[in-house]
Amino acid sequence: NAGVTQTPKFRILKIGQSMTLQCAQDMNHNYMYWYRQDPGMGLKLIYYSVGAGITDKGEVPNGYNVSRSTTEDFPLRLELAAPSQTSVYFCASSYWVTSTGELFFGEGSRLTVL
Amino acid sequence: TQLLEQSPQFLSIQEGENLTVYCNSSSVFSSLQWYRQEPGEGPVLLVTVVTGGEVKKLKRLTFQFGDARKDSSLHITAAQPGDTGLYLCAGARVTGRRALTFGSGTRLQVQP
Repeated sequence: NAGVTQTPKFRILKIGQSMTLQCAQDMNHNYMYWYRQDPGMGLKLIYYSVGAGITDKGEVPNGYNVSRSTTEDFPLRLELAAPSQTSVYFCASSYWVTSTGELFFGEGSRLTVL
Repeated sequence: TQLLEQSPQFLSIQEGENLTVYCNSSSVFSSLQWYRQEPGEGPVLLVTVVTGGEVKKLKRLTFQFGDARKDSSLHITAAQPGDTGLYLCAGARVTGRRALTFGSGTRLQVQP
């Protein structure tokens, strides 16, 4: 089991460019999440998905888009990158049956917007 | 506004010392989790507490959920350099989205 796999690990973008962060999980989890972590801070929820075809906004969705066409994949799209989007992005998945769903995280994607 | 406030933000101690990290909120949570994150990696779950007043022990780590399910604490006995990392509490809301809300984190450094 690879768990949660994120690509790329590092990326530098120019202001106004677009890109997609890829996330895949092989644990057959129904829930998937995208969080961002700014230096010295906790994680803020960008978007999440409760299953294929269903997505919803988190705390900080502006400037991002997601899709969930399969159970395994949950890509995060950045349109018109801005310096404020410089951060480390974490994808996570969970099999949330009760209220105690453990999150399994990828290793993160470090994005710098210059 | 941070829904979950952690304190202290930073802690640097000597090996063998004890410490306590706090996670506080004005909101009630159905469960609360503690994660540890090492540099360059994603957070990894340490424990989940569900019942108000619950205490769980994981070797030298003791976790407690407040009676009102609004706060939690993590106590480490005889800290070791291997305990160094970022500790994050995360709460599951009673109603609403099935996603965890994370605290701001406590960065712990244990000096040998």
